[in-house]
Amino acid sequence: QVQLQESGPGLVKPSQTLSLTCTVSGGSISSGSYYWSWIRQPAGKGLEWIGRIYTSGSTNYNPSLKSRVTISVDTSKSHFSLNLSSATAADTAVYYCARGIAAAIGSYYYYYMDVWGIGTTVTVSS
Amino acid sequence: SYELTQPPSVSVSPGQTASITCSGDKLGDKYVCWYQQKPGQSPVLVIYQDNKRPSGIPERFSGSNSGNTATLTISGTQAMDEADYYCQAWDSSTAMFGGGTKLTVL
Repeated sequence: QVQLQESGPGLVKPSQTLSLTCTVSGGSISSGSYYWSWIRQPAGKGLEWIGRIYTSGSTNYNPSLKSRVTISVDTSKSHFSLNLSSATAADTAVYYCARGIAAAIGSYYYYYMDVWGIGTTVTVSS
Repeated sequence: SYELTQPPSVSVSPGQTASITCSGDKLGDKYVCWYQQKPGQSPVLVIYQDNKRPSGIPERFSGSNSGNTATLTISGTQAMDEADYYCQAWDSSTAMFGGGTKLTVL
C-alpha cells in the first residue's frame, strides 16, 4: 500500500524559500498514471491546492501561487518536492502531499487525490 | 476564477440522513469528489467521479451532481461521521476546493 511522508523545516524565515519533500513508499513513484500534488491548510481554515507534477515532469500550479511555486520530482529517490519562494506569514500552514488520479471521459475531466500524507506544519516567522 | 460554495455547517441527528451541498457555475458539467477530514487528521477521499466510493468507504456515503449543485449524502449518519467535508473539482488546469462544511452529529 502506497504511503506518503512529508519532510522539511518546520520554521522558515520571512522572504526565504519554503522547501518540502514528499517521499513515496510501498510503490513506485513512476508506475501507473499518477500525479503528485501539494495541498496546504492554514490553521482552522480550508484546503488550498498548490500544484501537481506528473512523472514526466509536466506541472500545473494554482494561479494564485504560480509565480512563487516550483514542484519537482526525483524518480530515482522516489520523492517529489515543493519550493515556495518569498515566504510570508500567510504561508504558515499544514502542508500535505497526495497522490492524484486523473482522466478524461469525453469532454469531462476528473482529478482526485486518493492517498494523502500525514501533513507537516510549517511556520513562517523570524 | 471558478468557485465552489459549501454551507459552513450542517447538523444531523444520529441515524438520520445528512446532505452537504457544493455549488458552482454549471458544476454538473464537471466531476466532483468529496473528502472527509477529522480533527488533527489528513483528508480522506469518500466520493470520486460524482458518485463512486473508494474501497473501504461505507455504503452510507453517496454522491450526486447535477445542474449547479453536487450533494454528498450520508444515510444513517453515525457519530463517527462528525467531521469537516470538502468538495473538489477541476477547472482550468486547477484543482478547486470548496470552503468546507462542518458536520455535527447531535
